Amino acid sequence: DTGVSQNPRHKITKRGQNVTFRCDPISEHNRLYWYRQTLGQGPEFLTYFQNEAQLEKSRLLSDRFSAERPKGSFSTLEIQRTEQGDSAMYLCASSLGRELVGYTFGSGTRLTVV
Amino acid sequence: AQKVTQAQTEISVVEKEDVTLDCVYETRDTTYYLFWYKQPPSGELVFLIRRNSFDEQNEISGRYSWNFQKSTSSFNFTITASQVVDSAVYFCALSEALSGNTPLVFGKGTRLSVIA
Repeated sequence: DTGVSQNPRHKITKRGQNVTFRCDPISEHNRLYWYRQTLGQGPEFLTYFQNEAQLEKSRLLSDRFSAERPKGSFSTLEIQRTEQGDSAMYLCASSLGRELVGYTFGSGTRLTVV
Repeated sequence: AQKVTQAQTEISVVEKEDVTLDCVYETRDTTYYLFWYKQPPSGELVFLIRRNSFDEQNEISGRYSWNFQKSTSSFNFTITASQVVDSAVYFCALSEALSGNTPLVFGKGTRLSVIA
């Protein structure tokens, strides 16, 4: 068990470009979450999956954002037509069951839109 | 609606002092989970504790202790004999997990600086 893994660690992109991030959760965890953290703030929830089903999306998740977890293992978060306001740390977490056992975060992907 | 308030934005202490980080939460549910995470300068969120709302016993883990008081909706975190390595941003978080709403709601964090 190597924890929650996120790639890339850093991404710099030009405004208007598309970006995709990957998250590999802890292998036995069935729940996977995406959060966004801006400077000086706590993480804010974006969306979560139970196995391959996307069960909840925050209103923060605009139409330009899409997330998938095709086989109930790894997940991708894509941002289309990036804007400067998308610059943030994107955090992935995973946990087991309704009791949120082992709710563990990855190191995050820091996105800078220039 | 869920809300977590960490009123202390920044705290600075001298090494070996004890320090308490406050956390006050709001929830309509009777069943929920409370968490504390540490975020060092490296940026990773490090899990410290998860507490079920039915378990009001205080917990101690080494130099860390947590005081859960349902009557005042508080879940405070104390570091005893602080060390420079404790310098980080600490986040308190809440989840109304058993109602089906699993995402964590975080406070804005408290930045702790421990000075040698």
